[in-house]
Amino acid sequence: KQEVTQIPAALSVPEGENLVLNCSFTDSAIYNLQWFRQDPGKGLTSLLLIQSSQREQTSGRLNASLDKSSGRSTLYIAASQPGDSATYLCAVLSGSARQLTFGSGTQLTVLP
Amino acid sequence: DGGITQSPKYLFRKEGQNVTLSCEQNLNHDAMYWYRQDPGQGLRLIYYSQIVNDFQKGDIAEGYSVSREKKESFPLTVTSAQKNPTAFYLCASSMGQNYFYEQYFGPGTRLTVT
Repeated sequence: KQEVTQIPAALSVPEGENLVLNCSFTDSAIYNLQWFRQDPGKGLTSLLLIQSSQREQTSGRLNASLDKSSGRSTLYIAASQPGDSATYLCAVLSGSARQLTFGSGTQLTVLP
Repeated sequence: DGGITQSPKYLFRKEGQNVTLSCEQNLNHDAMYWYRQDPGQGLRLIYYSQIVNDFQKGDIAEGYSVSREKKESFPLTVTSAQKNPTAFYLCASSMGQNYFYEQYFGPGTRLTVT
């Protein structure tokens, strides 16, 4: 059964710093990996989708990489801003039923 | 605006009562999903539907039921058989279950059962 782990559970950084969030998964036979953002009490906003054949995706200050063989993905946020404060979730699509399995998230706080 | 709507935002019920959560999408998506989120945890799949009049159980379907009579709507009923129903419920949709389709999420319904 697929399991997704995100470390650290919480991270606090000063504004302007570059940072990396980590995601690992146990079964490398995935179709894709998605990174989401969740603000308190809100739904999820899709940030980046990386297909299993891709190594990375970029959107603005965000860059996500995927190393399927080692079961790892990273989300790089450049020049962090207080507005980036949120919980970041990664999820992998895998299995014959093609279900998304989510990590428990990293709660990011960017201090002004 | 295209998107997914969930109502109500907050729902309070007494133990032993069934309750139905609404999910509507105007994205013309074929696939729809229901997830449950507990504090400090990731999302867990309850049910999903790829087409109208068809749906499949997810990892934690016990105590829940769904219907898919229209493409736009996928309501979730939390029955009295669900032992711990208090949670944040999220509905999502995608163009299909193919691997290259992103899932888009609604704003969620917070259910409290006392």
